[in-house]
Amino acid sequence: QLQLQESGPGLVKPSETLSLTCTVSGGSISSSSYYWGWIRQPPGKGLEWIGSIYYTGRTYYNPSLKSRVTISVDTSKNQFSLKLNSVTAADTAVYYCARHRRLGYCSGGSCYSWGQGTLVTVSS
Amino acid sequence: DIQMTQSPSSLSAAVGDRVTITCQASQDISNFLNWYQQKPGKAPKLLIFDASNLETGVPSRFSGSGSGTDFTFTISSLQPEDIATYYCQQYDNVPPWTFGQGTKVEIK
Repeated sequence: QLQLQESGPGLVKPSETLSLTCTVSGGSISSSSYYWGWIRQPPGKGLEWIGSIYYTGRTYYNPSLKSRVTISVDTSKNQFSLKLNSVTAADTAVYYCARHRRLGYCSGGSCYSWGQGTLVTVSS
Repeated sequence: DIQMTQSPSSLSAAVGDRVTITCQASQDISNFLNWYQQKPGKAPKLLIFDASNLETGVPSRFSGSGSGTDFTFTISSLQPEDIATYYCQQYDNVPPWTFGQGTKVEIK
């Protein structure tokens, strides 16, 4: 059964870089059927897509965050990672990693999966 | 980019009531729409994929319909365990994945 697990510091200082890793188990990140992505949710607010990556390294970013975001993939470790630089209190959120279908390559609900999420607080 | 407008932002209904949530896309998205349920402190859970397909294990009181720009999510008979926030999510051949603003469902 596929599992995604976020890991990384729960507290980051303002102006520093937030770094998270998503470890995928029970399936290969090198599949042509999926995109892998990051979504965040500030306390009491809605879901915001941060960006996604294909196993080849092709990336897609939310335009509102693009200047500060880097997503990378390590197929040898079955992991993908998020870096968000120059963070402020507004970046405080629960960060989720997720798998999403790639149209034409996967169908059905099993194409989708989310990690449990990790709270990252930006504070000095 | 495509924008998703979800309404209402919150609703209160009695147990057994029919509950309807709508999501409108700013352009034609075919049936590339999912519905998620999120309970406090939990990750979103997929309920409906491709606009109208019920995910395995999800109770049949949940349903989705629509295509193009207008979509509807329905709980046919609201149960206490359905208290949650519901989100629509649009996708395409490539990212981005765009979420609606969410609808918080409460018991009256």
